[in-house]
Amino acid sequence: KQEVTQIPAALSVPEGENLVLNCSFTDSAIYNLQWFRQDPGKGLTSLLLIQSSQREQTSGRLNASLDKSSGRSTLYIAASQPGDSATYLCAVQNTGNQFYFGTGTSLTVIP
Amino acid sequence: ETGVTQTPRHLVMGMTNKKSLKCEQHLGHNAMYWYKQSAKKPLELMFVYNFKEQTENNSVPSRFSPECPNSSHLFLHLHTLQPEDSALYLCASSQATGTSFPYEQYFGPGTRLTVT
Repeated sequence: KQEVTQIPAALSVPEGENLVLNCSFTDSAIYNLQWFRQDPGKGLTSLLLIQSSQREQTSGRLNASLDKSSGRSTLYIAASQPGDSATYLCAVQNTGNQFYFGTGTSLTVIP
Repeated sequence: ETGVTQTPRHLVMGMTNKKSLKCEQHLGHNAMYWYKQSAKKPLELMFVYNFKEQTENNSVPSRFSPECPNSSHLFLHLHTLQPEDSALYLCASSQATGTSFPYEQYFGPGTRLTVT
C-alpha cells in the first residue's frame, strides 16, 4: 500500500523567506501528484498538479518538482507571506482511482 | 468559492440517529468522491463515483451508505455511527476518473461531524 510522508510536520518562518516543503511516497508507480493547501476548518484548495511524466510545475510564487524514481516531491514557496499560512498536503494517485494523502505540513509565516 | 458545496457544515448526532450529508458540484464534472479526515491522520478515500456509478469502496463500514443520483449530487447516508466516526467529511469532484489523463480534484468545505 502506498504511504505518503510529509516533512516537516510544522514549520514557522519569517515573512519574505523562501521555503521548501517535502513529500515522499513509497510506491513510485504513480500517475500524478497534487499539492493542496487547507485553511483551518476548510476544505482543500488545489495548488499544483504534476503528471508522472513531468518534472515540475509552476504557479506564481509556487514551484513543485517531482522525482518519481526516488519517490519525492518538493513544493517551493518564494517570498513567503502571512497569507501563505495554512496546512499543505500532497496526494498521489496510483492505479485506478486510489488517492493517497500525506498528513500535511502546517506552515506559519510570521509578519 | 470552489464550486463544490456541502451541507450541513456542522452536524452533531447520537449513535442511534440517521442523517445524511449532501454534496453538490457546479463544475460540470462527472466524478465525485467522499473522504474522511480525522485528526492527525491522512485523508482517507471512502467512495468514488464516475458517471453516477460507484467505482471504489475502500472497505468502508456499512453504516456509511453513499448515493449518487446524478453527476452533480452526492449523498452520504449515516446510521448507527460510532464516536470514532467523528471527523471532517470532505466531498470532491473531478472531470472524470482513471489514469488516462490526470484529473485535478476540487474539494468542498467539508461537514464537521460529531457523534455523541
